[in-house]
Amino acid sequence: DAGVTQTPRHEVAEKGQTIILKCEPVSGHNDLFWYRQTKIQGLELLSYFRSKSLMEDGGAFKDRFKAEMLNSSFSTLKIQPTEPKDSAVYLCASSHWGLQDTQYFGPGTRLLVL
Amino acid sequence: DAKTTQPDSMESTEGETVHLPCSHATISGNEYIYWYRQVPLQGPEYVTHGLQQNTTNSMAFLAIASDRKSSTLILTHVSLRDAAVYHCILRVAGGNTGYQNFYFGKGTSLTVIP
Repeated sequence: DAGVTQTPRHEVAEKGQTIILKCEPVSGHNDLFWYRQTKIQGLELLSYFRSKSLMEDGGAFKDRFKAEMLNSSFSTLKIQPTEPKDSAVYLCASSHWGLQDTQYFGPGTRLLVL
Repeated sequence: DAKTTQPDSMESTEGETVHLPCSHATISGNEYIYWYRQVPLQGPEYVTHGLQQNTTNSMAFLAIASDRKSSTLILTHVSLRDAAVYHCILRVAGGNTGYQNFYFGKGTSLTVIP
């Protein structure tokens, strides 16, 4: 079975640019999560979808971060406009409904904003 | 806030059995004990979880103290691929609990010597 896939694996952006990160969850999973991981803050939730419906939208990130789930097998995270403080690893995870704590994570996208 | 305490680092030799301890003295009755691990440039990987009884799967054996205030993740016949940071976290499991943040503390960095 294919795990969670994320593209691109690495992204370099100039301040003010728009970038779009992509995620394909594990087939059959109902829940999808976007996180940002940094050494200082650890894992921060950006968005949480259940069966394509947005359930949780990390308050502090609403401004410039927008996650969408157009179908059950594909999600995007748009950051617009990017700022240097957005440099981090962005992780996507998915799980079965009812087993949301057993999350399967993708490899992440390492974003560097100059 | 981290509700778990783990040693910063441990070392083992290939082929040996390693015991990774975790202390969670203030665990609530409805909290499960989850273990995830993470290697550089990869997302966290689910290892195992349990509530009260010891559990085993292809990756590890989880021993939970009778008072649930501590647990030990036991890895048998460790290989170089088991070298990672292991995180012990508490979460209320179940499909209707809504989203809970992951708090990944420093975890235990396991070094495996060839």
